[in-house]
Amino acid sequence: QQQVKQSPQSLIVQKGGISIINCAYENTAFDYFPWYQQFPGKGPALLIAIRPDVSEKKEGRFTISFNKSAKQFSLHIMDSQPGDSATYFCAAHNFNKFYFGSGTKLNVKP
Amino acid sequence: DADVTQTPRNRITKTGKRIMLECSQTKGHDRMYWYRQDPGLGLQLIYYSFDVKDINKGEISDGYSVSRQAQAKFSLSLESAIPNQTALYFCATSEGAKETQYFGPGTRLLVL
Repeated sequence: QQQVKQSPQSLIVQKGGISIINCAYENTAFDYFPWYQQFPGKGPALLIAIRPDVSEKKEGRFTISFNKSAKQFSLHIMDSQPGDSATYFCAAHNFNKFYFGSGTKLNVKP
Repeated sequence: DADVTQTPRNRITKTGKRIMLECSQTKGHDRMYWYRQDPGLGLQLIYYSFDVKDINKGEISDGYSVSRQAQAKFSLSLESAIPNQTALYFCATSEGAKETQYFGPGTRLLVL
């Protein structure tokens, strides 16, 4: 049973558009929600993260929106670029362990 | 991340063979993790270790064992490989209670 559910599985966006990836969870004990970016042939790398006491966090073109009551969080990539084409994973942390979503493969068309 | 290395990067083996995947890190982190990545399933935790004397099972430890030879080295073994262990394996590290994990480049394993 997956503790963090991620959608969509794949996403195609035109250059300059907004990419949105969604995640949902059930365990209210989760205390940290990171997003990882993975390029082909590489390991995942931390992109941006948020704690549940904050509703939004922005770093450059990347924003996490967090809805604690709905137990959902999402990654928004503004002005998407071809270089953003990668697989994105959401995750949730509890008791020193991480639970990952199934991943979203983003393809930004030039 | 070049500070976390995994060997081998690719491996083909046969059913029933014993295989070891190795992970080394120069980040000085105390915590190390082994994950398995399958298409459509994301990353699943196999084992994790908070120091040399501390080993813990993750979500999918059956069929796997680990050894923490030193703070910088954490090995994953498949005692008798089976085809459904074909996957991409990642090692990760973190420092103390800090939540950021640093991943190695991965080992692609094919079990025939």
